[in-house]
Amino acid sequence: GAGVSQSPRYKVAKRGQDVALRCDPISGHVSLFWYQQALGQGPEFLTYFQNEAQLDKSGLPSDRFFAERPEGSVSTLKIQRTQQEDSAVYLCASSHLRNTEAFFGQGTRLTVV
Amino acid sequence: AQKVTQAQTEISVVEKEDVTLDCVYETRDTTYYLFWYKQPPSGELVFLIRRNSFDEQNEISGRYSWNFQKSTSSFNFTITASQVVDSAVYFCALSGEGSSNTGKLIFGQGTTLQVKP
Repeated sequence: GAGVSQSPRYKVAKRGQDVALRCDPISGHVSLFWYQQALGQGPEFLTYFQNEAQLDKSGLPSDRFFAERPEGSVSTLKIQRTQQEDSAVYLCASSHLRNTEAFFGQGTRLTVV
Repeated sequence: AQKVTQAQTEISVVEKEDVTLDCVYETRDTTYYLFWYKQPPSGELVFLIRRNSFDEQNEISGRYSWNFQKSTSSFNFTITASQVVDSAVYFCALSGEGSSNTGKLIFGQGTTLQVKP
C-alpha cells in the first residue's frame, strides 16, 4: 500500500493478557516511530528504529513494553501483562530520513478491560 | 528539555471566519524543526507543514498560513475563511538536532477546532 498500515485497528484485551500490534511502514522508509496517544492528549514518543536498529527506547513506559523490527521493515509493538493504564491509541509513523515529514498510520486503539 | 504548548484546548467558529491556532515551544537546540499535523476523526495524523529553525519566512498554502517567530518561540497557524471540513484536532510538534537526534516528535496537547455551518 501507499501509506503506513497498522493492524489491528481495534483490540480489546483482558487485564493481564499479552498483545502484539503490527506496523507496516512505507516501503523504503528508514525511520520508524511508535507513539502512544491517550484520550484527549497529544501523541507521546515510545521508541525509534533506524532500519532494524532500535536506537531510542526512552519513551517505553515499563519493561512490559517491547518493540522489534527484525528485517528493517515491519515492526511489532508487544505489551505483556496489559494493565488498564495501557489503554490508548498506538500510532506508528515512518519517514525517509530524520527530521523529515513523518507519515502516520491510523493507529491501533487498545482497550484493556 | 523540549516542550510544546498549545494553550487553546477548543475553538469554535462559524464557517468563513478566520481562526488562528497558537503554538509556543521550548528547546535548547540551535537547530530544530517545527511541524503542524491535522488529526481528523479517522485518527490518522496528516502532515501540514515542516519548518526549520533557520527559516523564519512566513508561509502560505491556499487558505493556510503559518507565522514563525523565533523571538517569541511561537509557530502559529491561521486558517482563512474556515470550512466545515477543517474541523479536526490540530497538533503542533517539535523535533531537535540535540543529544536525542532521532527525529522524534514532541507534540503539544492539541487544539480541537469546530467549524459550524
